[in-house]
Amino acid sequence: GNSVTQMEGPVTLSEEAFLTINCTYTATGYPSLFWYVQYPGEGLQLLLKATKADDKGSNKGFEATYRKETTSFHLEKGSVQVSDSAVYFCALSEGDYKLSFGAGTTVTVRA
Amino acid sequence: DTAVSQTPKYLVTQMGNDKSIKCEQNLGHDTMYWYKQDSKKFLKIMFSYNNKELIINETVPNRFSPKSPDKAHLNLHINSLELGDSAVYFCASSQASPITDTQYFGPGTRLTVL
Repeated sequence: GNSVTQMEGPVTLSEEAFLTINCTYTATGYPSLFWYVQYPGEGLQLLLKATKADDKGSNKGFEATYRKETTSFHLEKGSVQVSDSAVYFCALSEGDYKLSFGAGTTVTVRA
Repeated sequence: DTAVSQTPKYLVTQMGNDKSIKCEQNLGHDTMYWYKQDSKKFLKIMFSYNNKELIINETVPNRFSPKSPDKAHLNLHINSLELGDSAVYFCASSQASPITDTQYFGPGTRLTVL
């Protein structure tokens, strides 16, 4: 079956630091890949997505590139802010009406 | 203006009780979902409905019964609540398949079973 593995948190950074959250996946075909973010006390919201190999998704300074050869979709941001403190979820969807989520990575950014 | 709304936001109840959580979306989407998020933030799909028809049931106990009276609503009824049902439940919707369509999540319902 499909699965997503994310790096374990929690991750604590200082403002303006570089953030990377690793995500690898297992799928039988060619899934679409997503990063969702959950701010404290809220539901999840889409951060970015990529639907085919070598696509790069980007939003709010975050980027992730769909790497088929390494089955990865790592999330990066060059300079984080306190407002980026949240839980980040990698997810995939492949030919069915559901998303398979990773375990989530809690990120805390200190001023 | 709320895209996906859930009620109640908090639900505290005793073991053995029956409770319902309501979900409504005003986005005109065809597909709705229920997810369960445990205390470690792990998120797992429970059900998915497309045009009021059940299309995914992820081995959820029979005590959980979703009901979709129309495309804009997907309610979750839980019978004989157990301690292990304590979690945050999220409703979501998408236009069609989540492969290409963004899922929009509600704010969550925190269920505590005592």
